[in-house]
Amino acid sequence: GAVVSQHPSWVICKSGTSVKIECRSLDFQATTMFWYRQFPKQSLMLMATSNEGSKATYEQGVEKDKFLINHASLTLSTLTVTSAHPEDSSFYICSASLLGGSNEQFFGPGTRLTVL
Amino acid sequence: GENVEQHPSTLSVQEGDSAVIKCTYSDSASNYFPWYKQELGKGPQLIIDIRSNVGEKKDQRIAVTLNKTAKHFSLHITETQPEDSAVYFCAAISDLLTGKSTFGDGTTLTVKP
Repeated sequence: GAVVSQHPSWVICKSGTSVKIECRSLDFQATTMFWYRQFPKQSLMLMATSNEGSKATYEQGVEKDKFLINHASLTLSTLTVTSAHPEDSSFYICSASLLGGSNEQFFGPGTRLTVL
Repeated sequence: GENVEQHPSTLSVQEGDSAVIKCTYSDSASNYFPWYKQELGKGPQLIIDIRSNVGEKKDQRIAVTLNKTAKHFSLHITETQPEDSAVYFCAAISDLLTGKSTFGDGTTLTVKP
């Protein structure tokens, strides 16, 4: 149980285009989903916390107009990187917490974004 | 906010030996401490966790200890195997309302056959 999927697993796009990444909790309902980015050999950096039906809470320094987060249901959250640039190339990982659970986070497999 | 420090950053052991990774945290209100294993190109996987009302937890070759007074917790892996080689992250729940976690910087564990 507690499986989180991400789609796509990797994506290559041209500079200036937008990319959407989906995060789904497959067998449970998630109160909260988190979005992280991870650069090579570094830790996970929290970008935003997303609750179903409400606006995401962004961490300091993360541009909310550039990284659009939508959490339309208890099983789906999306991250859209708008007008992507090469410096946005990174590994994006989502996680989900169980509705009524105990703060455990279940991570997706990650999405490798490369912006040319 | 919460600050989590993790040591060492790299650890190399011989197969069969034990490995210990240590983390300290700053927020005494934190009450949940998970450990994750991340293999190259994959998302982190929870391997063990501990809550603040428990001092030690064990799951086969993996154990975690927590010292709330000193605000540190440790991961212990016994009888290491080459497949234990990965990056390990500790974390502490820094926001009890949202469940937001603060992560350590990670430890790259290499188990030599």
